[in-house]
Amino acid sequence: DTEVTQTPKHLVMGMTNKKSLKCEQHMGHRAMYWYKQKAKKPPELMFVYSYEKLSINESVPSRFSPECPNSSLLNLHLHALQPEDSALYLCASSQTRLRDSLWNEQFFGPGTRLTVL
Amino acid sequence: SQKIEQNSEALNIQEGKTATLTCNYTNYSPAYLQWYRQDPGRGPVFLLLIRENEKEKRKERLKVTFDTTLKQSLFHITASQPADSATYLCALDMGYGQNFVFGPGTRLSVLP
Repeated sequence: DTEVTQTPKHLVMGMTNKKSLKCEQHMGHRAMYWYKQKAKKPPELMFVYSYEKLSINESVPSRFSPECPNSSLLNLHLHALQPEDSALYLCASSQTRLRDSLWNEQFFGPGTRLTVL
Repeated sequence: SQKIEQNSEALNIQEGKTATLTCNYTNYSPAYLQWYRQDPGRGPVFLLLIRENEKEKRKERLKVTFDTTLKQSLFHITASQPADSATYLCALDMGYGQNFVFGPGTRLSVLP
C-alpha cells in the first residue's frame, strides 16, 4: 500500500466551528507532514512529526492544532478559523527525516479542500 | 532573506523537444533538492531527489543537476509529451529538524 489517504475531501465550516482533518498511511513511514496550499501557490509547510514527536512547527497560529496518535495517523484540529485559512490542506509522509537518509521523498495525499465562511 | 526562484511561471514547448526548468535559491544550505510534479487539484508527486554531494541524477526521460556553488538545479525532460504538462516544483530539504521549502513552481505545457 503506497497511498496516503485524507478525509474529508471537502470541508465547509463556520468561524466558530471545531473540526478535524485526518490523514493515514500504512507504508511504515515515521515522518508525517501537514502543508497548506493556496491557489496558484506552492505548498507551505505547517508541521512535521518525526517518530510521533512534533519536530517542526512553522509559526502556525494556535487555531491549528496537530496530533499524531500513532505512527500511521495524523490529525489536524481546527478551531475558530478565519476565511483566509480557506485552502487545500495536504498531508504527506516520508520514511524518515534523517539528513543522510536515502528515503526522504515525500508521498502526498490528495488533500482536503477547506472553505471557512 | 531566503528565496527560491523557478525560471518562469509558465513554459510552453513543442512535443518531442527537451524542457529545461531552473531552480535558483539564495541563503539556503539544502541537504537535498527534490523535484515534484503537481497536477491541478491533486497532491504533488515525487520525481527525483539529488543530494548536496551529487552533480547529476537520471530517471528515464528525466535528468536533474545540482550545483551548490551556483545555488542552482536544472531539471530536464527529454522527448517531452503532452502528458508531461503539469506544474513542476523544486523543493529544498535542509534535513532533520530543519525546514522543507517548495519553490513557486513552473507550469509546463507541452503542445502537440
